[in-house]
Amino acid sequence: DGGITQSPKYLFRKEGQNVTLSCEQNLNHDAMYWYRQDPGQGLRLIYYSQIVNDFQKGDIAEGYSVSREKKESFPLTVTSAQKNPTAFYLCASTSTSTANYGYTFGSGTRLTVV
Amino acid sequence: KQEVTQIPAALSVPEGENLVLNCSFTDSAIYNLQWFRQDPGKGLTSLLLIQSSQREQTSGRLNASLDKSSGRSTLYIAASQPGDSATYLCAVKGGYSGGSNYKLTFGKGTLLTVNP
Repeated sequence: DGGITQSPKYLFRKEGQNVTLSCEQNLNHDAMYWYRQDPGQGLRLIYYSQIVNDFQKGDIAEGYSVSREKKESFPLTVTSAQKNPTAFYLCASTSTSTANYGYTFGSGTRLTVV
Repeated sequence: KQEVTQIPAALSVPEGENLVLNCSFTDSAIYNLQWFRQDPGKGLTSLLLIQSSQREQTSGRLNASLDKSSGRSTLYIAASQPGDSATYLCAVKGGYSGGSNYKLTFGKGTLLTVNP
């Protein structure tokens, strides 16, 4: 079945440490997205990418970095510069061939600072 | 700037009741609207996708309507069950937001509890 796989499901980060969240899709979608979800704040866009080797900052990109070396993969690195990284992170994808496509989301990664 | 509001923020109903969740948006220039379900600690599951040219979509006990001109959508759940308990999010896909990206704007969701 086609879908988006996020790993790990839970991740713990020590102060000053960089961690990388994985997102892989087999839907042949060209656009991929990273969202952060905090209680009471809804979903906020971190980064997005529409084609390989190109990505754009979203609304809250500071302290995060991404890469898009393959169409199927869009990993997110939470750097030590992100002062409040504890949150639920969601990856999404869609096709940009027309504007009619909806979005598919992964199952999320919960990141906790210890 | 597009803003999406969902009312109510929380809703508790007895099993078997029919219910309506509301979603409103400020900019009617949208391509489509998508309703999602989110269980605690889980990702988003797409329920229904309504294109801007459509008035409604149905899937099983779910029916979503769209009135683009007034900036409103409703999600109707018939004969609710305890398994329907979850947070329901609506999201509108709007115009370009730099780099030819379609912008997806979410509401904050309605937390639904269906009591046995």
